[in-house]
Amino acid sequence: ETGVTQTPRHLVMGMTNKKSLKCEQHLGHNAMYWYKQSAKKPLELMFVYNFKEQTENNSVPSRFSPECPNSSHLFLHLHTLQPEDSALYLCASSQVVGNRGYEQYFGPGTRLTVT
Amino acid sequence: QKEVEQDPGPLSVPEGAIVSLNCTYSNSAFQYFMWYRQYSRKGPELLMYTYSSGNKEDGRFTAQVDKSSKYISLFIRDSQPSDSATYLCAMSAMYNQGGKLIFGQGTELSVKP
Repeated sequence: ETGVTQTPRHLVMGMTNKKSLKCEQHLGHNAMYWYKQSAKKPLELMFVYNFKEQTENNSVPSRFSPECPNSSHLFLHLHTLQPEDSALYLCASSQVVGNRGYEQYFGPGTRLTVT
Repeated sequence: QKEVEQDPGPLSVPEGAIVSLNCTYSNSAFQYFMWYRQYSRKGPELLMYTYSSGNKEDGRFTAQVDKSSKYISLFIRDSQPSDSATYLCAMSAMYNQGGKLIFGQGTELSVKP
């Protein structure tokens, strides 16, 4: 595997389900990100992890719960979602040195549909 | 006012045309500027990266930054049908923790054979 991988690629879940999205980066980076991409909207940053520590939570509802067990893996745990949470969820990674680390590399995304 | 403005298009051009894609921004602290290309059903792919003002060229692609006007551009020469995608601009300031990026909405480009 190379780059940033995400599983599953597609997910359909009911509002009462619990599911998890997985991201793995094979680039040796030290920072990982979750983004939400909805139609006709800019990418919305959800969470940032630097060296496994969460450094940003962009006012994301608690029904989204991130987990970063090590610098290569990132999870997004989902529970009691709403239909408006249907979107493409993208994971990205970068190498942060000081405050620099702007070249982010993205995975293919998970297309989530909440019914 | 949004921090980054980008015309969503769609933009349709014939094969071989020169394409100009643009973003404006309001935060004068932005110093790092990127262009991403996103094909349908795929994640964004980093195309170009520039720091501060000036031009950068890579093959058929040229990125320009005009900090005085808070305006960035991506030019595609000899456009090909394979260039059909959504192009996202992204930018960041020196002080942003962990390299936080602010994205434009994306411009959908279609290059017709």
